[in-house]
Amino acid sequence: EAGVAQSPRYKIIEKRQSVAFWCNPISGHATLYWYQQILGQGPKLLIQFQNNGVVDDSQLPKDRFSAERLKGVDSTLKIQPAKLEDSAVYLCASSFHGGTEAFFGQGTRLTVV
Amino acid sequence: GENVEQHPSTLSVQEGDSAVIKCTYSDSASNYFPWYKQELGKRPQLIIDIRSNVGEKKDQRIAVTLNKTAKHFSLHITETQPEDSAVYFCAASYGGSQGNLIFGKGTKLSVKP
Repeated sequence: EAGVAQSPRYKIIEKRQSVAFWCNPISGHATLYWYQQILGQGPKLLIQFQNNGVVDDSQLPKDRFSAERLKGVDSTLKIQPAKLEDSAVYLCASSFHGGTEAFFGQGTRLTVV
Repeated sequence: GENVEQHPSTLSVQEGDSAVIKCTYSDSASNYFPWYKQELGKRPQLIIDIRSNVGEKKDQRIAVTLNKTAKHFSLHITETQPEDSAVYFCAASYGGSQGNLIFGKGTKLSVKP
């Protein structure tokens, strides 16, 4: 079974620039999560989709972060403009539905300089 | 809001000893509790999980116990080996089938040969 695919693996940008991350979940998984993992901390939920609808985006900094999941499959997470404190690994995960085992992608390591 | 507390943040044991990591959660409606292992630079991977209708679950050297009344759950690793060294995260689900996973801050386990 193919896993969760993410790209790019690494990204370095200057502050105030924009960046986008892409995620392709496991086929058939209705739920997709974006987590932010700052070095030395646990994953922090940014947004959760159920199919193409947003279930929870309460911790998404909406002034600079946006995410979409068109057609209920692939998802993109965008940051515009980036700040130094956005440096982190952005993990995408999917599950059959909410509250079940989540499978993680390899993550995108973002460095903002 | 929902919260998962995890202790200790670091744990060092001798090879062959047991390791115990404890987590507490805040929402009595949580019904799914996974544990993830994350090696340096890699994605979190599920090692064991438990649902709220079960008090204990074992898988070889790993066991998880759940006390719903006290709202805490624990990971037990017996006969630890150097390859068990990693960061371990507990998580709790919120919101039922539309719910998400909230993670603890992690425990860095070091197993010394």
